[in-house]
Amino acid sequence: EAGVAQSPRYKIIEKRQSVAFWCNPISGHATLYWYQQILGQGPKLLIQFQNNGVVDDSQLPKDRFSAERLKGVDSTLKIQPAKLEDSAVYLCASSSTPGPYEQYFGPGTRLTVT
Amino acid sequence: RKEVEQDPGPFNVPEGATVAFNCTYSNSASQSFFWYRQDCRKEPKLLMSVYSSGNEDGRFTAQLNRASQYISLLIRDSKLSDSATYLCVVASSGGYQKVTFGTGTKLQVIP
Repeated sequence: EAGVAQSPRYKIIEKRQSVAFWCNPISGHATLYWYQQILGQGPKLLIQFQNNGVVDDSQLPKDRFSAERLKGVDSTLKIQPAKLEDSAVYLCASSSTPGPYEQYFGPGTRLTVT
Repeated sequence: RKEVEQDPGPFNVPEGATVAFNCTYSNSASQSFFWYRQDCRKEPKLLMSVYSSGNEDGRFTAQLNRASQYISLLIRDSKLSDSATYLCVVASSGGYQKVTFGTGTKLQVIP
């Protein structure tokens, strides 16, 4: 079974530029999560989708971050404009059911904002 | 107070030692608890769920103490390969169960 795919793996941008990350969850997984993990911290949930609907985006900085999940499969997370404090690893995860069931994580995208 | 708190460590232990981590949570209505493992520069992976009655998987034992609002992870006979960061995960109750990760406890097993 293929795992969660993410791209790109690494991205370096200057502040005020925009960037987009892509995630393809495990086939059949209805729930998709985006996390931000800053060095030395645990993953922080940015947004959770159930199929193509948003379940929780309470910690998403909506003035600069946006996310969509078209057709309930792939998802894109965008940052525009980026700030220095956005430097982090962005992890995508999926699970077969909503709630606290096992989440399968992708390898992440390491973003550096200079 | 943070929703989920862990001692960041690092815990440096010799091979073969027994080590235990605790994780405290603030929401008394929390319903589900997990331990994830994260290797350096890798993604987190589920280590084990934590049940009310406690559970064991080989050298790993997880316990839940609802009265004191903490969960624990015990690792016996530590191996070099156990070196990683252990993330505590707590899920709240309700129709939508919000999942919160702790900051993680770093374990380094020394030869």
